[in-house]
Amino acid sequence: SQTIHQWPATLVQPVGSPLSLECTVEGTSNPNLYWYRQAAGRGLQLLFYSVGIGQISSEVPQNLSASRPQDRQFILSSKKLLLSDSGFYLCAWSGSSGSGTGELFFGEGSRLTVL
Amino acid sequence: RKEVEQDPGPFNVPEGATVAFNCTYSNSASQSFFWYRQDCRKEPKLLMSVYSSGNEDGRFTAQLNRASQYISLLIRDSKLSDSATYLCVVNGGGSYIPTFGRGTSLIVHP
Repeated sequence: SQTIHQWPATLVQPVGSPLSLECTVEGTSNPNLYWYRQAAGRGLQLLFYSVGIGQISSEVPQNLSASRPQDRQFILSSKKLLLSDSGFYLCAWSGSSGSGTGELFFGEGSRLTVL
Repeated sequence: RKEVEQDPGPFNVPEGATVAFNCTYSNSASQSFFWYRQDCRKEPKLLMSVYSSGNEDGRFTAQLNRASQYISLLIRDSKLSDSATYLCVVNGGGSYIPTFGRGTSLIVHP
């Protein structure tokens, strides 16, 4: 069966510090991968998605970046965090286009507080 | 116009009540539809897919109306544990990026 792991679960970072969130998927190959952010009391905002190794599409211009160094690994980074980067970050996967019906499966999330 | 719209609520209902949520979508070429449940400070989890013929899973019934471009979720005999935010998700129509509604908050009280 497929599983998705995301870490760290919680982190508190000062403004201007770097960020690295990691996500790995097991039990499937060539998944579509996604990073979402959810601010307190708000909906899900798609940040990045990837359909393959090294292929990253950005939905929202900001100081965040994403990388996919391996098929089932997705990393969210920032060189310098802003206060507005605080939120609940969710990694998700879905089957590649044409395989499956398109439902998303989420990791348990990473709660980031920037002080 | 937003691609996927939901009434944010909250819907505040007593235990045992029946409650229904609607969700409208703008892309008529959309192909797959889902309802997710999100508990406070947790990740969204798939509740059920929505099929053209409608589908039922215990106390939950989902329906799709392609002509009017909306999907619905009906919860019968509400339980306290049903309190959560329910997210409508639409997929396909030329994009593999699922589109989420902002969610409808349900509060079931004793």
